[in-house]
Amino acid sequence: AQSVSQHNHHVILSEAASLELGCNYSYGGTVNLFWYVQYPGQHLQLLLKYFSGDPLVKGIKGFEAEFIKSKFSFNLRKPSVQWSDTAEYFCAVNARGAAGNKLTFGGGTRVLVKP
Amino acid sequence: GAGVSQSPSNKVTEKGKDVELRCDPISGHTALYWYRQRLGQGLEFLIYFQGNSAPDKSGLPSDRFSAERTGESVSTLTIQRTQQEDSAVYLCASSLAPLTSGGAGEQFFGPGTRLTVL
Repeated sequence: AQSVSQHNHHVILSEAASLELGCNYSYGGTVNLFWYVQYPGQHLQLLLKYFSGDPLVKGIKGFEAEFIKSKFSFNLRKPSVQWSDTAEYFCAVNARGAAGNKLTFGGGTRVLVKP
Repeated sequence: GAGVSQSPSNKVTEKGKDVELRCDPISGHTALYWYRQRLGQGLEFLIYFQGNSAPDKSGLPSDRFSAERTGESVSTLTIQRTQQEDSAVYLCASSLAPLTSGGAGEQFFGPGTRLTVL
């Protein structure tokens, strides 16, 4: 079965610091990749996605992620965080073919940005 | 708004009772998903509906869990004889048809139902 690992459960950083959240998955075939974010008191919403093409994808609010197939990774980055980036971030993977249209989610990373 | 809605937002029940959770997907979305999120954990896939195809029930944890969907509209998730370990937030998501390139596209999530089993 596919699995998704987010190695950092909690991250605390100050405004203007750079953020990188790790995501690794276990599936050797073609994948669709997602990062979702849940701000306090709000629904899960999509930050960015990768289906094919340029492995460096840009999403909303200045976030980007890089798909490195050889490392089975899809790490999320933001060069300079703001207090409003305080949220929980989830990586999700769809293993095309093997999993149909199901998403497998990582355990999430809680990010706290101190003003 | 035209987002995914779920009801109730909170449900407290006694062990052994049955509960029914409801999801209204975004109009026009043919795919509907149910997930469970236990405290401090990621989302756990439960079941997936796609149009009139047979649902993918591979994530249902036991035969106490079942779900139905009427056409491409409302879905209900039923948990019979609830247990304390069923306490979680139950999330519903919907999406357009699977990608023509293959696999799942973006899913839109509802606010969830927080279930507490005493």
